[in-house]
Amino acid sequence: RKEVEQDPGPFNVPEGATVAFNCTYSNSASQSFFWYRQDCRKEPKLLMSVYSSGNEDGRFTAQLNRASQYISLLIRDSKLSDSATYLCVVNKVTGGFKTIFGAGTRLFVKA
Amino acid sequence: DVKVTQSSRYLVKRTGEKVFLECVQDMDHENMFWYRQDPGLGLRLIYFSYDVKMKEKGDIPEGYSVSREKKERFSLILESASTNQTSMYLCASSLEVLGNSPLHFGNGTRLTVT
Repeated sequence: RKEVEQDPGPFNVPEGATVAFNCTYSNSASQSFFWYRQDCRKEPKLLMSVYSSGNEDGRFTAQLNRASQYISLLIRDSKLSDSATYLCVVNKVTGGFKTIFGAGTRLFVKA
Repeated sequence: DVKVTQSSRYLVKRTGEKVFLECVQDMDHENMFWYRQDPGLGLRLIYFSYDVKMKEKGDIPEGYSVSREKKERFSLILESASTNQTSMYLCASSLEVLGNSPLHFGNGTRLTVT
């Protein structure tokens, strides 16, 4: 079983739609959580950190559920420019520090 | 803004060649990382370094070595390139190893080994 799992998609949504991605992690000692965005043939870029109380940045909302060991990303009012791959990232400390990337969820937003 | 610069965007090398991939960051970050990214496999950590002259193996260090002689520079070396090392290579840096510091990536080097 992968340490961080994401639905690979693709998610195909029309402009203006709301779309949600989930990500599960297996290690309960995981410490910090992030969502990155990666455009085709480009490097990953930090989209937002994920805090225990949940956090929002404009149209993007991230939630963390430690009990169930998953994080989520909600995108409201999707734009064409949101088309990208979204990577779930988990930092854990036990057994040595490690950053673990999910394989990513592809999103296509269509006009 | 953190800037992580990788020396080459595209490289084509022959099997058996020694290959150097260079990475420089300008934010005085302690930690630097080398990943490779392949379709369906995601990002996999090759090596990382949390200080000058320090290095730690990641998940897939075989066939690679690294060098960190200066804080701002982290080099990945393929001692004898093989076709299965054809990949996108991504360098990253972060302020702290422990805690909530995110990674900042360079724009990647797409290496083809023929």
